[in-house]
Amino acid sequence: RKEVEQDPGPFNVPEGATVAFNCTYSNSASQSFFWYRQDCRKEPKLLMSVYSSGNEDGRFTAQLNRASQYISLLIRDSKLSDSATYLCVVLDGYNKLIFGAGTRLAVHP
Amino acid sequence: DVKVTQSSRYLVKRTGEKVFLECVQDMDHENMFWYRQDPGLGLRLIYFSYDVKMKEKGDIPEGYSVSREKKERFSLILESASTNQTSMYLCASTSLKGARPGNTIYFGEGSWLTVV
Repeated sequence: RKEVEQDPGPFNVPEGATVAFNCTYSNSASQSFFWYRQDCRKEPKLLMSVYSSGNEDGRFTAQLNRASQYISLLIRDSKLSDSATYLCVVLDGYNKLIFGAGTRLAVHP
Repeated sequence: DVKVTQSSRYLVKRTGEKVFLECVQDMDHENMFWYRQDPGLGLRLIYFSYDVKMKEKGDIPEGYSVSREKKERFSLILESASTNQTSMYLCASTSLKGARPGNTIYFGEGSWLTVV
C-alpha cells in the first residue's frame, strides 16, 4: 500500500463546477498535511496547509480526518486557471515529506 | 525573492559521467529533500537530510548519494549516470518539526537532467 494515495484523476469539469479530491495516508503518526498545486513543467506551489479543524481560503476548503487518515480538498466555482495537478503532501513522524502521485484537474469552458 | 536555488536548470550528460546537482536555501531550514518526478509516478523521495552531515534514504536511493556539509546546501550526486536517471529533480526545504500549521515547504525550480 502506498503511504499517500490520491484519486487517480483526471477530473474534467466545466467552469463553475464544484470538484472534490481525496487523499488517504497510512502512517497514523503523520503530523502535518498540505495541498500543493503543480502546473506543467513547474515546481509545486503551496495551495493550503490542512488543519485539524478544517480551513477555507476563498473557493478552496481543506478537511482533515485523523481517525480515518483522510484529507480532502474542495474547489467551488471552478475557473479555467484552476487546471493543474493537485498534490497531497504529508509530513510523517520522521520529518519525511511524502507526496501523493497527484490528481490532474482540467477545467473546460 | 528566491529562497531555494537549484544551480542547474537543464543538463545533458553522458552515460557513466558523474553528475552533481546543487541546492541552496537561505532560510536556515533544518530539513532538505531531493525528489525526482517522472510522468505517471509523481514525486519520489531519493534522500533527505534533517541536519548537517545527516542523511536518510528515501524510497529510491539506488544510484544516488548526497552531501550536506553546510546547513544551507544539499547536494545530490549521481556517481555514474544512467539513461534511467533522466528525469526532473526537485529540491525542497522546510523547517517543519512537529505539527506546525502555517509552516510551508519551499521548492527549487527543478533541474531537468537528460542522460544520453
